[in-house]
Amino acid sequence: AQSVTQLDSQVPVFEEAPVELRCNYSSSVSVYLFWYVQYPNQGLQLLLKYLSGSTLVKGINGFEAEFNKSQTSFHLRKPSVHISDTAEYFCAVTGGGSNYKLTFGKGTLLTVNP
Amino acid sequence: DTGVSQNPRHKITKRGQNVTFRCDPISEHNRLYWYRQTLGQGPEFLTYFQNEAQLEKSRLLSDRFSAERPKGSFSTLEIQRTEQGDSAMYLCASSPGTGGQYFGPGTRLTVT
Repeated sequence: AQSVTQLDSQVPVFEEAPVELRCNYSSSVSVYLFWYVQYPNQGLQLLLKYLSGSTLVKGINGFEAEFNKSQTSFHLRKPSVHISDTAEYFCAVTGGGSNYKLTFGKGTLLTVNP
Repeated sequence: DTGVSQNPRHKITKRGQNVTFRCDPISEHNRLYWYRQTLGQGPEFLTYFQNEAQLEKSRLLSDRFSAERPKGSFSTLEIQRTEQGDSAMYLCASSPGTGGQYFGPGTRLTVT
């Protein structure tokens, strides 16, 4: 079984500041890792994914994340945020078995202030 | 737009009534998933289809819940004898395999 811990439930930042949203996972098998973004009253949009290969992955909207196997982490970063980045961000993991169902963290609400 | 679609977007029903939701996945995706999301939580897995076969059901899916995917295309999720605890956002996602799942906009259910 897998689990995901998102260490911060809320992260307030000012516009154009850098941001890091933290995610740690637990799994007994190799994993695939994902970050999703959810705007109010909408579904989830895939930001980026780590399947294999380079541990630094780049996604949409200028976001990137780094897979660290020894620390079981997959933190999301953006060097300069915009007001439009205000949303809920979910880290998710899948691994083991063939169904690839996702296990999500509880989410981090990123609020970008002017 | 060829993304995942869900209908209806919102459903208000009285306790004890039955409701049915529909999901139309991305056409070339053979995998389809249903999740439930309550306020302040991440989505939780409910069930998974590969083509028309329902291959896994979560313990969250009580016997009041049933899902189908006839002919491996669209899927329906039915809740019988709804309870207030069923109020949530029901999300559908489709996937071609390991590359991630693509979510629809969700159906928000309110049971009064």
